[in-house]
Amino acid sequence: SQQGEEDPQALSIQEGENATMNCSYKTSINNLQWYRQNSGRGLVHLILIRSNEREKHSGRLRVTLDTSKKSSSLLITASRAADTASYFCATDNGTGANNLFFGTGTRLTVIP
Amino acid sequence: AAGVIQSPRHLIKEKRETATLKCYPIPRHDTVYWYQQGPGQDPQFLISFYEKMQSDKGSIPDRFSAQQFSDYHSELNMSSLELGDSALYFCASSYGTVTDTQYFGPGTRLTVL
Repeated sequence: SQQGEEDPQALSIQEGENATMNCSYKTSINNLQWYRQNSGRGLVHLILIRSNEREKHSGRLRVTLDTSKKSSSLLITASRAADTASYFCATDNGTGANNLFFGTGTRLTVIP
Repeated sequence: AAGVIQSPRHLIKEKRETATLKCYPIPRHDTVYWYQQGPGQDPQFLISFYEKMQSDKGSIPDRFSAQQFSDYHSELNMSSLELGDSALYFCASSYGTVTDTQYFGPGTRLTVL
């Protein structure tokens, strides 16, 4: 990966449990985004957190950002079987260029 | 709401052939990005355009070229195809040059035989 690693690479939980995925990156950033991808399908934007923000919520999603540690976490609460997908974090490289650098992704499986 | 449109959705080519992928951004979006995602890999940035000019370049092979047209749609041209070019090719669009949310198309799955 150009930017960093996601942890864990795979996560399997029961429906109703919370899922936490972590992402680390290497460069300074302007913002960090989380995307979801169903197998072999397109990337769906979930949430964007800017470098001056520490936490953001959207529905059942909670994202944190620690720029001192160059890391972010995505928490999905009360998971559902339909949450089964791969989750990627993506960052810019802080230079103003708009292209994204993706992490290696976490494959989440929610068991009904 | 209108989304990013990519065509074709699936493409099968032989080695050494040429392929052209098309991307139609969300209306009023002026920036287009191309990404390549190999099997089991994370998406890798290839190239981007803003207002019909190339704005950034990533790991795009010299065999590939791209452009953005006056109606803001973009085409990725791939020549001398190799087996390793088999991948999902995503187009994304955004509005303006300020780093912001990119909206991805459904992708084109290219298979090179």
